[in-house]
Amino acid sequence: GAVVSQHPSWVICKSGTSVKIECRSLDFQATTMFWYRQFPKQSLMLMATSNEGSKATYEQGVEKDKFLINHASLTLSTLTVTSAHPEDSSFYICSVGTSGSYEQYFGPGTRLTVT
Amino acid sequence: AQTVTQSQPEMSVQEAETVTLSCTYDTSENNYYLFWYKQPPSRQMILVIRQEAYKQQNATENRFSVNFQKAAKSFSLKISDSQLGDTAMYFCAFMKQSNTGNQFYFGTGTSLTVIP
Repeated sequence: GAVVSQHPSWVICKSGTSVKIECRSLDFQATTMFWYRQFPKQSLMLMATSNEGSKATYEQGVEKDKFLINHASLTLSTLTVTSAHPEDSSFYICSVGTSGSYEQYFGPGTRLTVT
Repeated sequence: AQTVTQSQPEMSVQEAETVTLSCTYDTSENNYYLFWYKQPPSRQMILVIRQEAYKQQNATENRFSVNFQKAAKSFSLKISDSQLGDTAMYFCAFMKQSNTGNQFYFGTGTSLTVIP
């Protein structure tokens, strides 16, 4: 399977600041990348789906102006949490895939803590 | 909208015994995929097994097998000869294909503990 990395693995930021999380597909041409949020002891909630070179598609209830997603290349997608608040503290996981394939490869996740 | 339900928040099983995790889903789609993922304490999601909805035969992967009942929209996971390393959260997932790419929906998870 594909190797997916996320950076940083853990970040603490102050309320009101923005933080960027990177998702890299190291050996896989990812035409599609997914961003999930997982609260403690809960399931993964799909936030958005991004296709390379086009705008992300956000799930209902996810603020697109707060969670900015950029999928500039086949190997990199970024999630920027703007004006972060303590309630945004969560575990953010990305995954990668290709159109027409059911395969999905997950990154190791990024723990965001907003103080 | 697709929903995935796992009705067992926690389960435990004795080492070497067999355990079955339940999953039901709701969809109007006819073509889709179903998955079981394992999330150990490291939080890295690991694919355990997958099932194509158009296949009637239940998928198996070594000690892991599924009971797929399409009409009942049920997709249970059976783990045979349970091992200590099987201790993890298990998520059932549904995938449909769309114009914007494949979309995955996860159940709430079952925390499985294998007891020595």
